Amino acid sequence: GENVEQHPSTLSVQEGDSAVIKCTYSDSASNYFPWYKQELGKRPQLIIDIRSNVGEKKDQRIAVTLNKTAKHFSLHITETQPEDSAVYFCAAGTALIFGKGTTLSVSS
Amino acid sequence: SAVISQKPSRDICQRGTSLTIQCQVDSQVTMMFWYRQQPGQSLTLIATANQGSEATYESGFVIDKFPISRPNLTFSTLTVSNMSPEDSSIYLCSVQNRGTYEQYFGPGTRLTVT
Repeated sequence: GENVEQHPSTLSVQEGDSAVIKCTYSDSASNYFPWYKQELGKRPQLIIDIRSNVGEKKDQRIAVTLNKTAKHFSLHITETQPEDSAVYFCAAGTALIFGKGTTLSVSS
Repeated sequence: SAVISQKPSRDICQRGTSLTIQCQVDSQVTMMFWYRQQPGQSLTLIATANQGSEATYESGFVIDKFPISRPNLTFSTLTVSNMSPEDSSIYLCSVQNRGTYEQYFGPGTRLTVT
């Protein structure tokens, strides 16, 4: 079955800096890779996703890249703001298998 | 996106009892899933709730412990049976829109087993 590894587990940046979170997956048949943001006490919120026929996707300050050959994908957040502080999860597949999460802290 | 509700939002239960969690969506969806999230942890897929047929369980989860129903395209239930303190967790349903892969989560049910 699918296995998703996520790094780093914690990430601290200054406001305005960029943040990058990386994930690898094991099942070459997986073709859908979403990213979720979860604030304390709230449900996971879908922030961006990418399908296997696309290499990169952007939405304002966030972007996701996918390398199918290497089986890894990354989340890029530019111009970070304090409200970006949360736990971010990557996932793969249709019945999603999640990475362990990255706690992002943005200090002003 | 669809509006998803779960009942109850939280409960405290005695060990050995069972709790049924309901997930209701305001529109028809193709797929519904159940996840568990233990405090400070990631989400773990329990099963895919199939409409009109038995649920598809992930490794480590069995129907006797987590029976699931999905009688129509807008509703599903997850029962946590013969509960132990290790079942204390947040249980979330998610739905997948027709024609897309996007999944959206319900607000979750916080279960505490004493």
